[in-house]
Amino acid sequence: DAGITQSPRYKITETGRQVTLMCHQTWSHSYMFWYRQDLGHGLRLIYYSAAADITDKGEVPDGYVVSRSKTENFPLTLESATRSQTSVYFCASSLDRGRAGYTFGSGTRLTVV
Amino acid sequence: SQQGEEDPQALSIQEGENATMNCSYKTSINNLQWYRQNSGRGLVHLILIRSNEREKHSGRLRVTLDTSKKSSSLLITASRAADTASYFCATDADRANSKLTFGKGITLSVRP
Repeated sequence: DAGITQSPRYKITETGRQVTLMCHQTWSHSYMFWYRQDLGHGLRLIYYSAAADITDKGEVPDGYVVSRSKTENFPLTLESATRSQTSVYFCASSLDRGRAGYTFGSGTRLTVV
Repeated sequence: SQQGEEDPQALSIQEGENATMNCSYKTSINNLQWYRQNSGRGLVHLILIRSNEREKHSGRLRVTLDTSKKSSSLLITASRAADTASYFCATDADRANSKLTFGKGITLSVRP
């Protein structure tokens, strides 16, 4: 997905460690989002941001922290990783609600052992 | 909790046949969107239909929206093996902030 990049692509971490997932978009989209995808649950919104320095909680925010100091970056931090946070994490961006869909990154597959 | 629920959960058809997937939702919406996800990849936006629209077309895709029944359908005509993927409906129901709520998805298999 050109224009929105997630890193790393795969990550294995130990329980209790802090880990940060990166998301970078090149379109200057106002809206950015973090979702996690799990079997049986589909995609669930963790956090979203309507603009730089504006963030808000989604459906499953506990254990996660986000920041958005620049429009193009929206990192997601797991403060103390737990096994229940093993998942595939997707970052997405959108230019304008109601007019355009979301553009998703390729995802980060995170395993907490 | 999921706003949209897709039906069926899985669909297997022969190449050349049409595939119809349904989505139902619970609350009023601003728009409804359909996405495709190939295995191991991110979601790709297919089509967006606003609450005041009843039908939209994009290539081999046709989407309908019935707000009175709170339901939508995605029709893929003349399916191809490359259409094999998971399909998700997503609803934008928050007027204050843009955020989509996704269903659990439909797995479509198109047999060559």
